[in-house]
Amino acid sequence: SQQGEEDPQALSIQEGENATMNCSYKTSINNLQWYRQNSGRGLVHLILIRSNEREKHSGRLRVTLDTSKKSSSLLITASRAADTASYFCAIRYGNKLVFGAGTILRVKS
Amino acid sequence: EAQVTQNPRYLITVTGKKLTVTCSQNMNHEYMSWYRQDPGLGLRQIYYSMNVEVTDKGDVPEGYKVSRKEKRNFPLILESPSPNQTSLYFCASSGTDNTGELFFGEGSRLTVL
Repeated sequence: SQQGEEDPQALSIQEGENATMNCSYKTSINNLQWYRQNSGRGLVHLILIRSNEREKHSGRLRVTLDTSKKSSSLLITASRAADTASYFCAIRYGNKLVFGAGTILRVKS
Repeated sequence: EAQVTQNPRYLITVTGKKLTVTCSQNMNHEYMSWYRQDPGLGLRQIYYSMNVEVTDKGDVPEGYKVSRKEKRNFPLILESPSPNQTSLYFCASSGTDNTGELFFGEGSRLTVL
């Protein structure tokens, strides 16, 4: 399967702590994107990192990409209860965008 | 407001009764796609369309049909629904050749009895 594999499957942290989620994939990519999904709702795009980029920031989000290890990480700093959601990596192969199974993040206040 | 609109949001139907889930976007996007989401499996692509009259199969197209007669609309058709098509369905669109951001609808939860 070309699907990204995410780790951990679930993560529970205290408000104010940092949350790190990882995504691994198998073949060369065009870009890698991260999405967020609140329970049962549509996915919302967070950030896109291209294959020639190593790091991107957006507010409290930091994404890294290591093409030699075929992996990416999403770091959410100073987490808030409102960050509780599922987070998905999505990998662009050619014309397809393939989603991982997601990480469920719970931020306790 | 830029959005992707799906209808119905919730539907319970019976095996074999044809149904259509509509999807409409107001962003003049060329690319549109349908996904289904099942627990533990993430999102799997059913069909996608690069532009009007151009559609192609995704990873799980069996049992589904689509059409793209107008740029804004991309309906998903289940000719003869079966219980294994019980799922949460999402329509999404993108303004480029899918290198960029996907905009998702709010989802359609379908139950086939």
